[in-house]
Amino acid sequence: NAGVTQTPKFRVLKTGQSMTLLCAQDMNHEYMYWYRQDPGMGLRLIHYSVGEGTTAKGEVPDGYNVSRLKKQNFLLGLESAAPSQTSVYFCASSYLSSQTQYFGPGTRLLVL
Amino acid sequence: GESVGLHLPTLSVQEGDNSIINCAYSNSASDYFIWYKQESGKGPQFIIDIRSNMDKRQGQRVTVLLNKTVKHLSLQIAATQPGDSAVYFCAENRGTDSWGKFQFGAGTQVVVTP
Repeated sequence: NAGVTQTPKFRVLKTGQSMTLLCAQDMNHEYMYWYRQDPGMGLRLIHYSVGEGTTAKGEVPDGYNVSRLKKQNFLLGLESAAPSQTSVYFCASSYLSSQTQYFGPGTRLLVL
Repeated sequence: GESVGLHLPTLSVQEGDNSIINCAYSNSASDYFIWYKQESGKGPQFIIDIRSNMDKRQGQRVTVLLNKTVKHLSLQIAATQPGDSAVYFCAENRGTDSWGKFQFGAGTQVVVTP
């Protein structure tokens, strides 16, 4: 099992550009999450999904959109990147019956 | 969780000694807690969890203590090894209406010295 994988690992964007971060899990987890991690701060939840075709807002959803067209994939989109979105983005997944989340290796995003 | 700032608190521990990492959580309604380990350049990794109906839980070389009176959580690592060098942070969950949603601390950097 690969667990939770994220692509790309690193990306540099210019202000105003758009991009999509891909998260994939092979554990048949129902729940999937997107977080951002900034220096000196705890993980903050951006959006999450409780199942295929459903998404919900987390703590810091502004400037991001998500889609869960397939159970194993959770996409995070930035429509118009801003320097404030420079961060490390982590995807996680969990079973419906458990709150233990399994994290991917992260995507480091730099917005200039 | 831990204090917010650009610089994480650091715990320097000699190899073989025991480590104690502390976490002050914010919400008295929180009923489930997790400790994570995050190595440099990697995603967080689950270490151990505890529910609010327990005071102590032990795993392999790790023990979590929960003091609900003062809203304090600690992680003890026995016989610390170089591979234990990482950032450790706690996460609190605020009950059934918040399933899967956690408040994460910023973390403590643990440095193991030979």
